[in-house]
Amino acid sequence: KAGVTQTPRYLIKTRGQQVTLSCSPISGHRSVSWYQQTPGQGLQFLFEYFSETQRNKGNFPGRFSGRQFSNSRSEMNVSTLELGDSALYLCASSQQSGGNTEAFFGQGTRLTVV
Amino acid sequence: QQPVQSPQAVILREGEDAVINCSSSKALYSVHWYRQKHGEAPVFLMILLKGGEQKGHEKISASFNEKKQQSSLYLTASQLSYSGTYFCGTGGMDSNYQLIWGAGTKLIIKP
Repeated sequence: KAGVTQTPRYLIKTRGQQVTLSCSPISGHRSVSWYQQTPGQGLQFLFEYFSETQRNKGNFPGRFSGRQFSNSRSEMNVSTLELGDSALYLCASSQQSGGNTEAFFGQGTRLTVV
Repeated sequence: QQPVQSPQAVILREGEDAVINCSSSKALYSVHWYRQKHGEAPVFLMILLKGGEQKGHEKISASFNEKKQQSSLYLTASQLSYSGTYFCGTGGMDSNYQLIWGAGTKLIIKP
């Protein structure tokens, strides 16, 4: 079956702009989690959506928001971009909510803010 | 609090063994291990749940000591394909928990 698809793969934005990233989970998976990955920092949890509801949220400013649609596809939005937002953004899908089941990651969207 | 992984990086010759540790300051319910190769998505290796269960995956196995709040990943007779960055994700006792990830251990296998 198809894996997790993230679009776009690469993005260059200017400081102050906003950006929307998309994640299509594996068919049948209802949970989508978003992570920010920067060198040396590992995976920083942004938020998790399950059945269109935000279940958990990490310690990121309100500029980071997300949503999930009825087909489980999820989008993440970052407004008023800052240079420090440059990172690889990964989404992961799983059948259940929470951290008790295997997660399947997408290839990520590499965002560069200039 | 982010779990602490050690070592931060290790270089091995093909065929040698490696141990990667993951320690948490909080009581754990689960530990997840993933491997990420450069430019690729993290790939699931295994989940260990409370109970000290040891799991294996080919020549890769792991243990979970809930009393010590730590897990160790064992790679025996390492192969070139084992190169990558290994991440542990720890889950707490809250039924609605989210995983907290370590900073990763970079493993380089040389022929």
